[in-house]
Amino acid sequence: KQEVTQIPAALSVPEGENLVLNCSFTDSAIYNLQWFRQDPGKGLTSLLLIQSSQREQTSGRLNASLDKSSGRSTLYIAASQPGDSATYLCAVSNQAGTALIFGKGTTLSVSS
Amino acid sequence: KAGVTQTPRYLIKTRGQQVTLSCSPISGHRSVSWYQQTPGQGLQFLFEYFSETQRNKGNFPGRFSGRQFSNSRSEMNVSTLELGDSALYLCASSLGQRGNEQFFGPGTRLTVL
Repeated sequence: KQEVTQIPAALSVPEGENLVLNCSFTDSAIYNLQWFRQDPGKGLTSLLLIQSSQREQTSGRLNASLDKSSGRSTLYIAASQPGDSATYLCAVSNQAGTALIFGKGTTLSVSS
Repeated sequence: KAGVTQTPRYLIKTRGQQVTLSCSPISGHRSVSWYQQTPGQGLQFLFEYFSETQRNKGNFPGRFSGRQFSNSRSEMNVSTLELGDSALYLCASSLGQRGNEQFFGPGTRLTVL
């Protein structure tokens, strides 16, 4: 059974810092991995989608990497801003279909 | 291009009642998936509909059911509500092929008293 773990559960940093969020999964037979952002009480905003054949994806200040063989992904946020404060979730889609299996998330707080 | 919309945004029900939630996907998307989010269990997959057929199902009791219409809009029904059904219910839409990006709606907050 696929399990997704995100470490740390919470992170506080001052504005301007570069930071890394970690995601690990137990079954390497994934179809893709998606990173999301969730603001309190809101829905999920898709940040980056990495197909299993890809190693990384970039969007603005965000860079996500995928190492399928080791069951790991990282989300790198450059020059963090207070507006980046949110919960970040990673999810994998296994080979069986389109269902996403989520980690519990990392809650990020960026102070000005 | 309009995003995924969900109605209603908030619901308060009592135990034993039933509830129906609605989700309208992004235009052109044929797949709609439903997820339950609670503080304890996080986000869990309920089911997925594609072209009016349930294509995938999570590990939830039969009280949770859904359907999809010919215009790809989907409804989720929960019968005989329990306190533990209180959660944020999110739907996601995609084009429907494996590997497609999923886009989420704002969710429906259900409170069961």
